[in-house]
Amino acid sequence: NAGVTQTPKFQVLKTGQSMTLQCAQDMNHEYMSWYRQDPGMGLRLIHYSVGAGITDQGEVPNGYNVSRSTTEDFPLRLLSAAPSQTSVYFCASRLVGTDTQYFGPGTRLTVL
Amino acid sequence: GNSVTQMEGPVTLSEEAFLTINCTYTATGYPSLFWYVQYPGEGLQLLLKATKADDKGSNKGFEATYRKETTSFHLEKGSVQVSDSAVYFCALTGSQGNLIFGKGTKLSVKP
Repeated sequence: NAGVTQTPKFQVLKTGQSMTLQCAQDMNHEYMSWYRQDPGMGLRLIHYSVGAGITDQGEVPNGYNVSRSTTEDFPLRLLSAAPSQTSVYFCASRLVGTDTQYFGPGTRLTVL
Repeated sequence: GNSVTQMEGPVTLSEEAFLTINCTYTATGYPSLFWYVQYPGEGLQLLLKATKADDKGSNKGFEATYRKETTSFHLEKGSVQVSDSAVYFCALTGSQGNLIFGKGTKLSVKP
């Protein structure tokens, strides 16, 4: 049982490049979400999903896309990276009907 | 909407000192309350939680009590260790099934 996994651990992009952050979980959790962590800001919700085929926006969705084709995977896409997207990104999951969220190890992204 | 305010750090303590990290919240309804811990270079781990008023969450010597009358969920530990050095986040459940986090408090424990 690997829990929540994220790849890559580190990434450097140039402004305007696109990339996909991967997130997977093997706990059969219906609910998955993406957060970004910025210094002095805590964690803020980007997008979330309550099951395959269903996604919705969180607090800071601009510049990010998500899809949920399977229960296990919830990738986050940056369409055209900007320096303001430099951050640490965390994926989390939980069972619907429970309140404990399980977090991945994070991806540290730098946009130059 | 729901929000969390926690004491700003950094907090520096000597080993075996008493720790309190203050957390207050604003919420409609009765959210669950959490403390998460982030060790250097790692993701967030659930430290403890409480789901209703007067519940006490505890784990690894840390405790926090859900106080509805003061809308607080302060984290305490009687004797900290160097290994407790980390960033601590107070959080509550949000309307989107998410967690709403405070800004985090960095704790450094010196031997």
